[in-house]
Amino acid sequence: EVQILETGGGLVKPGGSLRLSCATSGFNFNDYFMNWVRQAPGKGLEWVAQIRNKNYNYATYYAESLEGRVTISRDDSKSSVYLQVSSLRAEDTAIYYCTRDYGWYFDFWGPGTMVTVSS
Amino acid sequence: QIMLTQQAESLWISPGERVSITCRASQSLLYTDGKHYLSWYQQRPGQTTKALIYHASVRTDGVPTRFIGSGSGTEFTLSIEHVQPEDFAIYYCLQTLKSPLTFGSGTKLEIK
Repeated sequence: EVQILETGGGLVKPGGSLRLSCATSGFNFNDYFMNWVRQAPGKGLEWVAQIRNKNYNYATYYAESLEGRVTISRDDSKSSVYLQVSSLRAEDTAIYYCTRDYGWYFDFWGPGTMVTVSS
Repeated sequence: QIMLTQQAESLWISPGERVSITCRASQSLLYTDGKHYLSWYQQRPGQTTKALIYHASVRTDGVPTRFIGSGSGTEFTLSIEHVQPEDFAIYYCLQTLKSPLTFGSGTKLEIK
């Protein structure tokens, strides 16, 4: 059974940084691209970042609105993906979801981790 | 970037009715392999987001046949026949043709 679980959310002051983790199990992690998607309270889904697998040289892609402040990475030995977000702003307050990427759609999603940016 | 427009923010229908949710792309989502890189997702409170349709019209495993994806080029539709109580949720389209990947703004299905 595919399992995805995000951790690392919490309350952060504006200007601070956060590292979110996504632990997975139940599938061969090495074979898949992974993504982060976020959702601000009461708003829609926003794609944040993608990291491809070793076959694609771990290429990374980012949403234009976040580029320069976020870094996605993965550790295949731990079947985990990470999202480092810096210079946090109030508008970064959201649930952050980790998703498995089947190549042309996001087939499994985690329950998300809440990030609140407030002083 | 490719923009996806879901015109209807909300749709009010009665259980048992048929409903269509549209998603319009700012450019064609057809790739050279002949497939459209457009997928649909369902969000229900307290549940993880669920993929319903990929390549515009292919149902994912276990999705009931009442969910029908259609469309081509820049115009896509998710139809639900004989809407069931559990179908009242928010639906999003997503394009994975080109980075940055983009979602539609979502359409909430509400009980009339």
